[in-house]
Parts: sequence; C-alpha cells; structure tokens
Amino acid sequence: NAGVTQTPKFRILKIGQSMTLQCTQDMNHNYMYWYRQDPGMGLKLIYYSVGAGITDKGEVPNGYNVSRSTTEDFPLRLELAAPSQTSVYFCASSSGTDNSPLHFGNGTRLTVT
Amino acid sequence: AQSVTQLDSQVPVFEEAPVELRCNYSSSVSVYLFWYVQYPNQGLQLLLKYLSGSTLVESINGFEAEFNKSQTSFHLRKPSVHISDTAEYFCAVRSGGQGGSEKLVFGKGTKLTVNP
Repeated sequence: NAGVTQTPKFRILKIGQSMTLQCTQDMNHNYMYWYRQDPGMGLKLIYYSVGAGITDKGEVPNGYNVSRSTTEDFPLRLELAAPSQTSVYFCASSSGTDNSPLHFGNGTRLTVT
Repeated sequence: AQSVTQLDSQVPVFEEAPVELRCNYSSSVSVYLFWYVQYPNQGLQLLLKYLSGSTLVESINGFEAEFNKSQTSFHLRKPSVHISDTAEYFCAVRSGGQGGSEKLVFGKGTKLTVNP
C-alpha cells in the first residue's frame, strides 16, 4: 500500500545549489504531476507527464526540470536554487482517465537560504 | 481560463456544529468539480467529486456538496463536525473536453479548525 512515495521529507539548500526531489509510485499510473504549495496560494502545477518519455510544462515550470524514464519514477530537478523556490512540493499520480482522482505523496518541504 | 474562489481562508467551529465551506468557480459550458482534503503533514486526498447527474454528492465521512450551475458554486457542508475533520480543504475545477488532471485548477484552500 505504498502509493506515491516522495524523498526527502525535508531539505535545506543554499542559494545556487542543486538537488533532485524523488517521486515513485507503485500503482502503474501513466500520469504523474509535480505541484508546489505555498501558504494561502493553493497548488500550482510545475510539470506533468502522461507516460514514460513524455513530459510537459505546467503553470510554473521556470527553474525546474523533470524526466520520466520509467512509469514508476518522476524526479524533479532544481538546478540553481533560489529563495523563491522555498515551498512544499507534492508529487501526484493518476490512472489518466478523464476524471480519475489524483493520488498525492506526503510532500517535500524545501527551504532555500 | 478557469478560476476557483474559496471565499474563506479560515473557518473555526465548535465540535458538533454545522459547517459550510464555500467555493465558486468561473463559468464554463461544462465543468467537473472536486473537493480535496489535506490533513496536517500529508498530501491531498479526494473527498468527493461532481461529474454529472445528481447535483448533490456525498462522501463516506458525512460531507456533502451541491453543484449549483446558476450560482456557479460547489459549497461543501457537514451537519455536525468532529475534531478529526480539522484539515485544509481545497476546491478544484476542470473544464470539460480533452485532457486530464493537468487542467485541474485548485482554489487557495480553507483551513477548517474544529474546537472542543
């Protein structure tokens, strides 16, 4: 019953450092998503993928990169961390039918100082 | 572009009191509407959804929401809340047509705090 697993849970970065947020799902879902959540702002879509080898930009992609080499994994890469990227990041997956529910991981809390 | 407005950022209530969390969306020919709940230190999980048919939809834990097309609203209600309902609630909307959850637009959330 793992569902969507995100690592790490917490991370502090210095400005200019890089890191990869890991996300893996064991539900064989084709669709995967990365969101960021800022207080009082709801969720904003960063990138999404409809299957292995296919990715596309969401609403706020600048400063991030993704890859999807397998169905299970969808890592999010921050190349040059900036204070504006301080946020809670959520990975989610869905089976991809029109209104199938999103299954979320428990999030990664990132602070850039 | 579709938009969602959750009018209350915070709603404090006492245990066993009724509660209504308000959600309005911008008009569209066809929409799908969702409520997600986020408990502390967790990701979001689907609470209920309206796709078509009956305008009143219910969740397994006593919440209900009514789709009102003329008011462009999808308010969430519960007649008697428990301490365990303390969480943040997000309304989300997706326009009809092609595409999937990448078209989902979330509201800013309402923090429900149930006090003893």
